[in-house]
Amino acid sequence: EIVLTQSPDFQSVTPKEKVTITCRASQSVGSTLHWYRQKPNQSPELLIKFASQSVSGVPSKFSGSGSGTDFTLTISSLEVEDAATYYCHQSSGLPQTFGQGTKVEIK
Amino acid sequence: QVQLQESGPRLVKPSQTLSLNCSVSGGSITSGDSYWSWIRQPPGKGLQWIGYINYNQYNPSLSGMTYYNPSLKSRLTISADTSRNQFSLYLSSVTAADTAVYYCARYDSGLFDSWGQGALVAVSS
Repeated sequence: EIVLTQSPDFQSVTPKEKVTITCRASQSVGSTLHWYRQKPNQSPELLIKFASQSVSGVPSKFSGSGSGTDFTLTISSLEVEDAATYYCHQSSGLPQTFGQGTKVEIK
Repeated sequence: QVQLQESGPRLVKPSQTLSLNCSVSGGSITSGDSYWSWIRQPPGKGLQWIGYINYNQYNPSLSGMTYYNPSLKSRLTISADTSRNQFSLYLSSVTAADTAVYYCARYDSGLFDSWGQGALVAVSS
C-alpha cells in the first residue's frame, strides 16, 4: 500500500497569505497525484489533477507541482472560503489511498 | 454532469450488514470506462477508499469487475443494477469502527471527479 503523508496537519493563515501544503509518497507515484478540498460538512471536490494540471472551474489561485514522491499544493492568496481540509490522493496503485489531510483555518 | 445520491439505513446494529445504494443521474453507469466507487470517512478523520465496480463500454467483457480495499475485502460486496442505473455497497459483520460518512463517487481517468453528498451511517445497538 502506498502511504501518503501530508504536512503540516494544521495551518492557521490570514487572508491573502500564501499557503503551501506538501504530500510525500512512500514510493514513486509518477504524476498520478491529485488534490481535493473538503469544506466543512461537504463532499471533497477536485482541485488539481495529475500533480499540476488545472481542473475546469477551479480558481487559478490553486496550483500543484511535483513528481515521483514529493508534491506541493499552493494557494496563492487565501480567501475566507478556502477554510477547509485538503487531501492528496494517489491513483498509481491499489488500494487507492489518501493523505491524512491538512486542515487550513482562517486567523 | 453526473450526479450521485446515497440512500439506505443510517443506523445498523453491530454484527449486521451495512447496505447503501447510490443512484446515478445525468449519465449511464455503463457508458465510457468508469469505476463506480465507495469511499468512507469516520467522524473527524480522513478518507478511506472502500472499493469500486467497473463498467467499460469499450470492452464489455471487463464490465462488472470489482476491486476492493484488502483491509475490508473479506466483508465487502459491491454490485450494480444497470437497469436502475445504481450501484450498491454491502459491508457485513459491522462494528463501531465502521461508523462513518459513506460517499459514492465516480472514478474516471484516474481520479474521483464526482461525489455524492455522503451518508452518515452509525453502528450501534
